[in-house]
Amino acid sequence: VTQTPKFQVLKTGQSMTLQCAQDMNHEYMSWYRQDPGLGLRLIYFSYDVKMKEKGDIPEGYSVSREKKERFSLILESASTNQTSMYLCASSSPPWDTVWPNTEAFFGQGTRLTVV
Amino acid sequence: GDSVTQMEGPVTLSEEAFLTINCTYTATGYPSLFWYVQYPGEGLQLLLKATKADDKGSNKGFEATYRKETTSFHLEKGSVQVSDSAVYFCALTSFSGGYNKLIFGAGTRLAVHP
Repeated sequence: VTQTPKFQVLKTGQSMTLQCAQDMNHEYMSWYRQDPGLGLRLIYFSYDVKMKEKGDIPEGYSVSREKKERFSLILESASTNQTSMYLCASSSPPWDTVWPNTEAFFGQGTRLTVV
Repeated sequence: GDSVTQMEGPVTLSEEAFLTINCTYTATGYPSLFWYVQYPGEGLQLLLKATKADDKGSNKGFEATYRKETTSFHLEKGSVQVSDSAVYFCALTSFSGGYNKLIFGAGTRLAVHP
């Protein structure tokens, strides 16, 4: 799973798209943010092209899944409380009976700072 | 809702010391349990997993046993190395809102000194 960019500094109000690509032919992709003391929190997930579902903290974010291998996270108007590490993950689809036994693969993350 | 609680870090140990990182969970249904590890500058990777009660997951000298009666999945290693320094996340599968998803704990940072 490849995430770009690795680091980004934005000014408040600017827009930004975080990119995620996987080459494992996984149908299911997801975006998390990682904050100290809070662990990983699910922002959005997608189980098919052009399909998306809100996770636990979708406010202030949107996503795009135009191709199976790519899942983008969009910040339309960045705010300082969106300063965080963003992680993308992919896996086999969660409705598979074997899903609980499979591994989620994570990218290295995008460290975003909004000033 | 379902949740995972991990012991707060950081945990600081000397090389060859015994490691325990506590993890307890709250879940409806029968979740699978995981430990993921994040080495400095990297994404998370699966360390071990267990899918039913009394299962023991193991990998790289780490072990964890699925204890349904105490809703726990504690991570242990008999002799840690400097290279084990990382952040460790306990996680479970959860079914809510019509979908399965992974729920993570807050993470526990481990620092091992020579």
